[in-house]
Amino acid sequence: GEDVEQSLFLSVREGDSSVINCTYTDSSSTYLYWYKQEPGAGLQLLTYIFSNMDMKQDQRLTVLLNKKDKHLSLRIADTQTGDSAIYFCAERNNNAGNMLTFGGGTRLMVKP
Amino acid sequence: DTGVSQNPRHKITKRGQNVTFRCDPISEHNRLYWYRQTLGQGPEFLTYFQNEAQLEKSRLLSDRFSAERPKGSFSTLEIQRTEQGDSAMYLCASTYGSGTQYFGPGTRLTVL
Repeated sequence: GEDVEQSLFLSVREGDSSVINCTYTDSSSTYLYWYKQEPGAGLQLLTYIFSNMDMKQDQRLTVLLNKKDKHLSLRIADTQTGDSAIYFCAERNNNAGNMLTFGGGTRLMVKP
Repeated sequence: DTGVSQNPRHKITKRGQNVTFRCDPISEHNRLYWYRQTLGQGPEFLTYFQNEAQLEKSRLLSDRFSAERPKGSFSTLEIQRTEQGDSAMYLCASTYGSGTQYFGPGTRLTVL
């Protein structure tokens, strides 16, 4: 079955780069997503990558996909205190429903 | 468009009571998903609708849970005879076809 794993916690200093890692198991996933969740709030879509791509850049965000190792990463350049949140990676199931399978989330703490 | 909305945002109830949550998707989105997120975990799929048809239900959706989308627009999720283990954030997402899922702010349920 599908399983998505992430490290629990990451702490960085303001201005540094953050790299959040994710591994997934469903090799048939066509889309992989990164969502951000602030305390008590819903999920905000940050970016996504199609499985035939290796990299996608969107302003301060860079997504890297290693399909062979089923490894996904999100790099945030020039991390700000406002980036402190929980980040979830998700794979889109390649069945009729296309529901998402999420990792457990990585809590990013940005220190001033 | 104002995005996906959910009501109420918070619900506190006593064990054994029934509760109902509402989700209003982005207009013209034909698919609507319900997810449940317990504390410290990623969201887990519960069920989804394409227009008014409920097409898939997770095994997490016990017989105390029922969801409807009568006119293919808003959806309701009802939990009967609530238990403490039902305490969670209930998230709704919508999409058009197999596109990106956009999430609402969630309804946080606390069962005392």
